[in-house]
Amino acid sequence: EVQLVQSGAEVKKPGESLKISCKGSGYSFTSYWIGWVRQMPGKGLEWMGIIYPGDSDTRYSPSFQGQVTISADKSISTAYLQWSSLKASDTAMYYCARHLVALDYWGQGTLVTVSS
Amino acid sequence: NFMLTQPHSVSESPGKTVTISCTRSSGSIASNYVQWYQQRPGSAPTTVIYEDNQRPSGVPDRFSGSIDSSSNSASLTISGLKTEDEADYYCQSYDSSNWVFGGGTKLTVL
Repeated sequence: EVQLVQSGAEVKKPGESLKISCKGSGYSFTSYWIGWVRQMPGKGLEWMGIIYPGDSDTRYSPSFQGQVTISADKSISTAYLQWSSLKASDTAMYYCARHLVALDYWGQGTLVTVSS
Repeated sequence: NFMLTQPHSVSESPGKTVTISCTRSSGSIASNYVQWYQQRPGSAPTTVIYEDNQRPSGVPDRFSGSIDSSSNSASLTISGLKTEDEADYYCQSYDSSNWVFGGGTKLTVL
């Protein structure tokens, strides 16, 4: 069974750094892209970027380029999304998903709250 | 970059048929596949249509997708509406290495 399990909710202060994770199982982790999607409170889905764990090839949405870093550790079948300096506007639910043409399997989401 | 525009909300009665549109702002709708996702409150999205008109296993055949090059749009049609279909629906497509979601449509089944 394909599963993507994300790390738990985070509460951070503005300016802090953060790295959230997404662990894949039940399939060949290195053979599929993993995508990240943001959903701000009460808002729609926003595609952030993707990574191919097999060779760490990474693509970003122009809206998120330079704002976040996507990485992966194929030895432990885990993808990451990280921020070096959080802002209040980063408060959102973040989903990872296995990415073909469609995003066919989704993680349960990680809620990130940034507040002073 | 392009945008995908969806109606903010639609509503229909149980048993009826509803169609949700998704219009591409630039570039041909037929050039890149369109996907549709359902998101119920408090849950992660799930795919209901991929590659314009394909249904994943487990999605009932009441859900269908199509594209119309003349209006440069895609449509999701749900027939025989059930109260459980009440959710937000998002279209998605791409160009080059950039994937884009539509703004989402809230479907109310009343």
